[in-house]
Amino acid sequence: DGGITQSPKYLFRKEGQNVTLSCEQNLNHDAMYWYRQDPGQGLRLIYYSQIVNDFQKGDIAEGYSVSREKKESFPLTVTSAQKNPTAFYLCASSIASGGNNEQFFGPGTRLTVL
Amino acid sequence: DAKTTQPPSMDCAEGRAANLPCNHSTISGNEYVYWYRQIHSQGPQYIIHGLKNNETNEMASLIITEDRKSSTLILPHATLRDTAVYYCIVSPPYAGGTSYGKLTFGQGTILTVHP
Repeated sequence: DGGITQSPKYLFRKEGQNVTLSCEQNLNHDAMYWYRQDPGQGLRLIYYSQIVNDFQKGDIAEGYSVSREKKESFPLTVTSAQKNPTAFYLCASSIASGGNNEQFFGPGTRLTVL
Repeated sequence: DAKTTQPPSMDCAEGRAANLPCNHSTISGNEYVYWYRQIHSQGPQYIIHGLKNNETNEMASLIITEDRKSSTLILPHATLRDTAVYYCIVSPPYAGGTSYGKLTFGQGTILTVHP
């Protein structure tokens, strides 16, 4: 049963703590992405990775960090430097071949910083 | 840098066709039109994409005008489960490097299907 999993679904943290969100895919996709969504808004790209051991900043990378040590995994760390971390975080992956950028999304993690 | 314009909301009766418009007057020759939808509190779901020709799959049809400046997503027989936010996105093809096929999500159209 192929797909993308994100855990946990809901996450609560105290202000000033770093927190890591998990994203795993078994679709054998090369490219993976992290987006942030605020209430009533569209998605904004945080980081993306086109291949293992390589990743680039998206539009709102400040206060976030990622790693891509395995093809299947692309964890996102929300650091204490992120000023407004409370949001809905979505991970996606794609085959990354010419002409087709169909991205498959996970169910998301809703992070609340208290 | 919004590349697409969509109405903020639309209504549709269950069983009728839902026609969702999108304007993308500045689309480049190699850019694709993608449609995704997002049901409340879930991840977005891919629906369909196209370049020049009209496309159809099991979920929907995509009609792209000849000048490619606008398109319409058609859900032929809307059901209550089609109530969602629908995003129209213009994106270059994936070519590696900086041309990674970025998807820019705007605010989309909230489609409400009524019984």
